[in-house]
Amino acid sequence: DARVTQTPRHKVTEMGQEVTMRCQPILGHNTVFWYRQTMMQGLELLAYFRNRAPLDDSGMPKDRFSAEMPDATLATLKIQPSEPRDSAVYFCASGYLEGQGTFYGYTFGSGTRLTVV
Amino acid sequence: GDSVTQMEGPVTLSEEAFLTINCTYTATGYPSLFWYVQYPGEGLQLLLKATKADDKGSNKGFEATYRKETTSFHLEKGSVQVSDSAVYFCALSDRGNTDKLIFGTGTRLQVFP
Repeated sequence: DARVTQTPRHKVTEMGQEVTMRCQPILGHNTVFWYRQTMMQGLELLAYFRNRAPLDDSGMPKDRFSAEMPDATLATLKIQPSEPRDSAVYFCASGYLEGQGTFYGYTFGSGTRLTVV
Repeated sequence: GDSVTQMEGPVTLSEEAFLTINCTYTATGYPSLFWYVQYPGEGLQLLLKATKADDKGSNKGFEATYRKETTSFHLEKGSVQVSDSAVYFCALSDRGNTDKLIFGTGTRLQVFP
């Protein structure tokens, strides 16, 4: 089965350090989402891309977070500097959308569990 | 803006009991509706979907019907198993508008033998 691959699976870092999370979407998918999951806030949409172009990153703290798609096979989410409140599970999801055609839903990766101490 | 409201959990059931998890939505366009399931320590898996009014999505004994008149997409299963214990998320994607996937808060289901 095709899958979305996220690395690393777990990351523990000290406050102030830069963190980079990576996502390899399913080949052929043109839409990529980044979500953050915490017990308190549930699933929050941070950013999403269509055909590598950012469509919406309004859910992302701009001063420290950045999201990019350097090519169609890689999406990255960076936090610099990291803070303890950034501790969460970060999920990437991908899907294929074109116009009003049939939509099959999004496939999620297994997530990166980030702990900032 | 678009939103999804789910019943609070946890839902605690005995094996073979009937399950209903309520979900209602608010959307400005014509959304597609989804149920995702998350098992402990894992990502979200698509359980079922419906893309237009009166569609019924079904998978693994679960089903949900897209009710436009009541803006609902309730999840049901006739006989739950211990292995169904997980967190269930209702979600919508407002096709033709933003295409963002908006989630409810999730409902934890615990099934005991």
